[in-house]
Amino acid sequence: DAKTTQPPSMDCAEGRAANLPCNHSTISGNEYVYWYRQIHSQGPQYIIHGLKNNETNEMASLIITEDRKSSTLILPHATLRDTAVYYCIVRVVSGGSNYKLTFGKGTLLTVNP
Amino acid sequence: GAVVSQHPSRVICKSGTSVKIECRSLDFQATTMFWYRQFPKQSLMLMATSNEGSKATYEQGVEKDKFLINHASLTLSTLTVTSAHPEDSSFYICSATRGGAGGISYEQYFGPGTRLTVT
Repeated sequence: DAKTTQPPSMDCAEGRAANLPCNHSTISGNEYVYWYRQIHSQGPQYIIHGLKNNETNEMASLIITEDRKSSTLILPHATLRDTAVYYCIVRVVSGGSNYKLTFGKGTLLTVNP
Repeated sequence: GAVVSQHPSRVICKSGTSVKIECRSLDFQATTMFWYRQFPKQSLMLMATSNEGSKATYEQGVEKDKFLINHASLTLSTLTVTSAHPEDSSFYICSATRGGAGGISYEQYFGPGTRLTVT
């Protein structure tokens, strides 16, 4: 699976949009971009994923550049409960049992009051 | 939907004893389950992948005789840390996926984790 690069930390004011970048310049055509987050001492939580089109759900929006070499996760109105480590992961969606995720260091997002 | 539970949430054991951690998918059938380990201030490291009814596949460097994984049903996987030592103290997290026919890969749903402390 392709490698991703994320800033180690970011700050955001409560109520403002949080934009978390991710570089994945070696992404292959059959690799999806996934985002998970981990609140302290909890298991990771799935947020969103996409292939090439922008995606939106109740938690966040995912913007993928046209060349697919980078993406941005957007939390439209960050709250204190969004403080967590956010992981950007690219992975092949293939047949068989190759569903494993490889976690990098992620971005620690701190939402400040 | 897609809830995964772990039991226990915390366990303290003495060095040399064995500890079993359970991972259950509560509202779906998990064809594949994963076990991760996370040390303080570090990211999750995959330990092994298990498919129901077959032997687990361990990642490089993970001792299969020390970390016994059983995936006997589509809703339950267990991780047994045998002869635990203080260096095995960590946060153990499982995840489950429904997998799917035709190569469709569903999201992984994670359990809340188990904090193991070996004294």
